Amino acid sequence: EAGVAQSPRYKIIEKRQSVAFWCNPISGHATLYWYQQILGQGPKLLIQFQNNGVVDDSQLPKDRFSAERLKGVDSTLKIQPAKLEDSAVYLCASSLSLREQYFGPGTRLTVT
Amino acid sequence: GENVEQHPSTLSVQEGDSAVIKCTYSDSASNYFPWYKQELGKRPQLIIDIRSNVGEKKDQRIAVTLNKTAKHFSLHITETQPEDSAVYFCAASPYFGNEKLTFGTGTRLTIIP
Repeated sequence: EAGVAQSPRYKIIEKRQSVAFWCNPISGHATLYWYQQILGQGPKLLIQFQNNGVVDDSQLPKDRFSAERLKGVDSTLKIQPAKLEDSAVYLCASSLSLREQYFGPGTRLTVT
Repeated sequence: GENVEQHPSTLSVQEGDSAVIKCTYSDSASNYFPWYKQELGKRPQLIIDIRSNVGEKKDQRIAVTLNKTAKHFSLHITETQPEDSAVYFCAASPYFGNEKLTFGTGTRLTIIP
């Protein structure tokens, strides 16, 4: 079974620039999550999709972060404009409802 | 919202000894408590989980205990091996499944050969 795919794996940008991350979940997984993992901390849920609908985005900084999952499969997470404190690993995960979350390899973002 | 605290932040044990990691949570409505293992540079992977209707669960060398009254749960690894070295995260969810997880800050476990 193919795992969760993410790209790019690494990204370095300057503050105030924009960046986008892409995630392709495991085939058939209706639930998709984006997490932010700052160095030395646990993952923090940013947004959860069920198919193409948002289930929870209470911790998403909506003034600069946006996410979409238009066809209920792939998803993109965008940051515009980026701040220094956005430097982190952005993890995408997918699951069948109420079952184990499978994480992707993550995108390491460095904002300078 | 939920707050999960995890201790210790680092733990070193001799190979073959046991390791215990503890977590406390704040929301009495939490019902699902998974543990994830994250090796250096790799993705988190679920290693064991427990639901609030169970007090203990075991899978080979790994066990998890839950005390809902005290709002804490623990991971126990027995007969530790070098490949157990990793960062371990606990998490809590108000649902009976993998939704709205709040993670702890992680424990870096080092197994000394």
